[in-house]
Amino acid sequence: KQEVTQIPAALSVPEGENLVLNCSFTDSAIYNLQWFRQDPGKGLTSLLLIQSSQREQTSGRLNASLDKSSGRSTLYIAASQPGDSATYLCAVPYGGSQGNLIFGKGTKLSVKP
Amino acid sequence: KAGVTQTPRYLIKTRGQQVTLSCSPISGHRSVSWYQQTPGQGLQFLFEYFSETQRNKGNFPGRFSGRQFSNSRSEMNVSTLELGDSALYLCASSLVGQIQGNTIYFGEGSWLTVV
Repeated sequence: KQEVTQIPAALSVPEGENLVLNCSFTDSAIYNLQWFRQDPGKGLTSLLLIQSSQREQTSGRLNASLDKSSGRSTLYIAASQPGDSATYLCAVPYGGSQGNLIFGKGTKLSVKP
Repeated sequence: KAGVTQTPRYLIKTRGQQVTLSCSPISGHRSVSWYQQTPGQGLQFLFEYFSETQRNKGNFPGRFSGRQFSNSRSEMNVSTLELGDSALYLCASSLVGQIQGNTIYFGEGSWLTVV
């Protein structure tokens, strides 16, 4: 059974800090891993998709890495801004070709001005 | 291009009633997945439809059902509502499937409150 854990559950930082969000998964046989952002009361927005053959993906101030062998992914946010405040979730596929995504419970990030 | 549209956005129902939620995926996307999100359980998979066929189903009781139409629009239905069904129901759209390595686009969700 695939389990996805995100630590910490909540994080508060001052504006301008670089920060790392962690995601771990128990079954390393994954095709890909996605990071999403969710604003309060809203749906999820895909941030980065890392294929199993890749080690990292970058988009602007975001960089996500994937280490399948250790069952870990990290999302690095550079020079954080108040607009980055949101809940960040990671998700991995499970169950073969007709499986579904398993989501972590997220890290709630608050960036203080 | 237009995003994923979910209707209604908010609704309140009474225990025992039934509810139907609708999702219009991004044009050209053939896969629609549904998730339930609650503070305690997080996001839990309900089902996925691809080209009008249910491809996969999560561990929810039979009161939860869905379907997909030929234009890829999808509906989910919950019958005999219980208080525990209060949640944010999210629809996700993708070209070929939620796990096939393509970007997934979520709607804003339908907030269901059961009283």
